[in-house]
This record gives sequence, structure tokens and C-alpha cells, in this order.
Amino acid sequence: AQSVSQHNHHVILSEAASLELGCNYSYGGTVNLFWYVQYPGQHLQLLLKYFSGDPLVKGIKGFEAEFIKSKFSFNLRKPSVQWSDTAEYFCVARGNQAGTALIFGKGTTLSVSS
Amino acid sequence: DAGVTQSPTHLIKTRGQHVTLRCSPISGHKSVSWYQQVLGQGPQFIFQYYEKEERGRGNFPDRFSARQFPNYSSELNVNALLLGDSALYLCASNPQGTTSTDTQYFGPGTRLTVL
Repeated sequence: AQSVSQHNHHVILSEAASLELGCNYSYGGTVNLFWYVQYPGQHLQLLLKYFSGDPLVKGIKGFEAEFIKSKFSFNLRKPSVQWSDTAEYFCVARGNQAGTALIFGKGTTLSVSS
Repeated sequence: DAGVTQSPTHLIKTRGQHVTLRCSPISGHKSVSWYQQVLGQGPQFIFQYYEKEERGRGNFPDRFSARQFPNYSSELNVNALLLGDSALYLCASNPQGTTSTDTQYFGPGTRLTVL
């Protein structure tokens, strides 16, 4: 069955700490991968996406993610978090066929203290 | 440009009732998808429509139905509401729905509470 697993339910960091959120996926065939973020009171927004090519992808606000095919992983990283990064983060997978649905992980809540 | 819009923002219904949720995609986007997000979980796929035709359906009962109109807006209908239908219902649009490199853009959602 297709699924996405996020390692942490809630992560608490101080400002300037480094961030890594783990994500593993189970998907038959070629997969497209995304990280979406939901800031408090706002709608889901795309942070970054991987379709093919360079496995290290850079997104908005200094975030990056690395696709490791052998580990079925797509971890999100940021070298130095800010208070404004407090949000819920979703790892998402999708097959590369047109019309296939997004499969979300359960989400990781990141709380950054100033 | 306006993003994806959904109405209403909040809705309270009682068990057994029917509900209709509405979504307007980003201008120029022809595909609309619906997701259900229960508290503490990630969104779950319900339907995708492209050019008024159903392109995909998630694992939801027949009480859930949807349609897409010629202007690409969409409605999600849920009949015989159950307490478990209480959730945030998200609509997402993408430009074509026929290419694998499309990105979905989400609306703010409709919060449905079933009492």
C-alpha cells in the first residue's frame, strides 16, 4: 500500500538550531515528492518539490530536502530555524502518472522558541 | 491573482443531514481535487476532477460525491452525515491535471462540524 511516514509528531527547537524532519515513503513505481507547510491560521503552501534530477532540492525560506532512493527517504532540512518557522509540516508523495492523488504523511508540528 | 477559494468557511450540521461545499480554483486551472483532513492527521484524498470528468477517487463511501462545472468550479456533496465526517475539507487546484509535473495549490478549507 502507498504510504508516507513522518518520524516525529512534534519537534521543539530554539531559534538558530538546525532542523531535520524525517520522511519515508512506500510507493510502487516512480514517485514525486513534496513538502507542504501550514503556518498557524493559513492554508497549505508548497515548500519544495522533487520530480527528477538533482536529489538535493531547495525550496522557499531556506529549506532543502534530499531524496535518497535507496532509503525511500525525503528528509527536510534547514540550517538555522526562526520563530516564524513555527508551523505544521507535511511530507507528501504522488505517483508520476497524471491524475494521481497526493498521499500525505500525518504531519510534524514544529515549535520554535525565541 | 486570487488563490483557491472555498465556501463556506465554517459549517455546523446534525447527523443525517446533507452538506454541499464549494470551491473555485485559481484562474486558468482546470483540475480540482478534494481532501478530508481529520484533526491530527494529514489530508486524505477524496476526488479529483479535470474538465468536468472524475479522474480519481479515494477510499470514501458513496455518500460522498462531487462535480465540476464548465467554469471549473466544483462542489463536494456529503449525504447522511455521520459524526466522523467532522473535518476540514480542502480543495486544491492545479493547471492541467494531465501532466505529472503539476503542483496542487490549496484553499483555506471548510471546517465541517457534525453534531
